[in-house]
Formats: sequence, C-alpha cells, structure tokens
Amino acid sequence: EAQVTQNPRYLITVTGKKLTVTCSQNMNHEYMSWYRQDPGLGLRQIYYSMNVEVTDKGDVPEGYKVSRKEKRNFPLILESPSPNQTSLYFCASSSGTADPQPSDTQYFGPGTRLTVL
Amino acid sequence: AQSVAQPEDQVNVAEGNPLTVKCTYSVSGNPYLFWYVQYPNRGLQFLLKYITGDNLVKGSYGFEAEFNKSQTSFHLKKPSALVSDSALYFCAVRDGRNTDKLIFGTGTRLQVFP
Repeated sequence: EAQVTQNPRYLITVTGKKLTVTCSQNMNHEYMSWYRQDPGLGLRQIYYSMNVEVTDKGDVPEGYKVSRKEKRNFPLILESPSPNQTSLYFCASSSGTADPQPSDTQYFGPGTRLTVL
Repeated sequence: AQSVAQPEDQVNVAEGNPLTVKCTYSVSGNPYLFWYVQYPNRGLQFLLKYITGDNLVKGSYGFEAEFNKSQTSFHLKKPSALVSDSALYFCAVRDGRNTDKLIFGTGTRLQVFP
C-alpha cells in the first residue's frame, strides 16, 4: 500500500529538549516536504527536498532542520523546541515532476501532534 | 505570489441537501488547484484536482469541483450531503509550474446535520 508514515503521532516535550519526527514514504517519490497546521492559518510549508541531499527552506523554516540522506526518509529536527512550535505537523511526498500530470498527487502522512511545554 | 482564499470558516448543511465549499484563487500563469479533506485525528486526504481540461472535475466520495476562470473560483460541491462528510476541507494551489509545493487556504469546517 502506498503510504507516508510519521512517528511519533503524538509528542509532549519541554522547551529546549531536542526531538526528531521521522517521515518515510514507500512510493519512490523524489519530492518530500514538511508542513505545520495551525488554526486559522491552514498549512504552511517548513522545508522541502527535491531529491537526496537537496533540501531548501519553505515559508516558516525558523527553528527547524531537515536532512535527506535516503530517498525514502525525510526527518524533521527541532534542536531546541519552543512553545510556539506547538502544532500539528504533516509530512508529504509526491513524484516531483516539473509539469503536473493528471496522475500526480501529493500524499500526506497521518500527522504528528506536538506540544512543547 | 500564488494564493487561495476560503471565505467561510464553517459551512452548515442538512443531510441530503446540496453543499458548496468556496475557494477563490490568485495565480500567475495556469492554476493547478486541489481539494483535500481532513477527518478528525486523520491526515489530509486528496479529493480532486484541476490541472487542465474540463471545468467540472469529479473526485472521491461523490465530490466535484467547478473551475471558473472568469471568477477565479474553484468551489467544491456535492449534490447530497452526508453526516459522514463532516470534516475540515482545504483548498490548495500549486506554487508554480516547477515545484510540488502547495499553498493552502485556511480551511473550511463542514458540519452536516442529520
């Protein structure tokens, strides 16, 4: 089954304690990204990756890091979490073609609800 | 910059009635538009998309959307609402031709009453 998995699904932590949220896809997709969802703001992109070892900032990258050492994995790292990073996080993947095709779609993981105290 | 707007925070409809969730867009070039749905405690699920072709796009769960270039709108519709359609709906636009990045609207909560 084609899917994007994220772990953990729920996480409560304290300010300053480093954490990693993992993301993995089994569709051989080149493009992967992280979004955060906040009430009244919709989803905003944090970081994205066009391929292995190629990452770039999205719209709200401050306080986050990512890496793309393997095509299937795209972990999100919070080196020193703060309360304003309390949010619902989604990982997504897609084929990454330049011209969108009718078959293209972006697949989302189930989400990680993070609370930073 | 590409953007989408969802003017309604919440839409209420009685079961069996038709529903419409509104979305307008602002893009440079051809718009690539999407609708996603989020059920409680679930991730986003793809409903439908407009890339090119027919203005009426049919998607999952009986939903459809009408692309209107003159009104820059991409409203989501369903002829007969179900209670199980109650969820959070997001309109999105692809941020240009050479990227898979999506720009999302703020979401519209659909509540279908029995």
